[in-house]
Amino acid sequence: EADIYQTPRYLVIGTGKKITLECSQTMGHDKMYWYQQDPGMELHLIHYSYGVNSTEKGDLSSESTVSRIRTEHFPLTLESARPSHTSQYLCASSEFRQGNEKLFFGSGTQLSVL
Amino acid sequence: DAKTTQPNSMESNEEEPVHLPCNHSTISGTDYIHWYRQLPSQGPEYVIHGLTSNVNNRMASLAIAEDRKSSTLILHRATLRDAAVYYCILRNYRDDKIIFGKGTRLHILP
Repeated sequence: EADIYQTPRYLVIGTGKKITLECSQTMGHDKMYWYQQDPGMELHLIHYSYGVNSTEKGDLSSESTVSRIRTEHFPLTLESARPSHTSQYLCASSEFRQGNEKLFFGSGTQLSVL
Repeated sequence: DAKTTQPNSMESNEEEPVHLPCNHSTISGTDYIHWYRQLPSQGPEYVIHGLTSNVNNRMASLAIAEDRKSSTLILHRATLRDAAVYYCILRNYRDDKIIFGKGTRLHILP
């Protein structure tokens, strides 16, 4: 049912590399979100967007950056990956309505920085 | 921001009903109650939501207290595939951010 895709599913990379995690949705949703989740822990909101050219920081401070040039695409970038960035990154989207709209999540990207 | 409180973990036997509680004593009149669940190694998925009345769908039922300060997610007949972390969150039109708490980790015993 969910039409939101994240790539890659798994990424192992060395310290100092620049990486971009991709997130795309085909539902035409205005709102998109990035969450970070460590194993067995709660989800932390790191970025969100209301629509094209809108980006906001979430509750958890993150060294990553995001962009929203197209409605369907919300990539997350780390300019210089560090071992502390090792985590699962989850992308989500929803319509922009009255609070009763569903959130749709991607399957996540598991990032390991060596 | 409105907050929810859930037990850290619960256990249930397979093929028995499960009642997952959630307290939201500071809920406002425009807050919707949403439930999501996260299976191992997957992103969360929508389960059910409601405003004031009880709700049923193919996955579960949602019972909302008359004062709306608490709600209960009901899985009518638990299976091993229902083992997951269940999150209760509040949402309204003013939501800039959607905050998930720690949820309830549900263990199903065969």
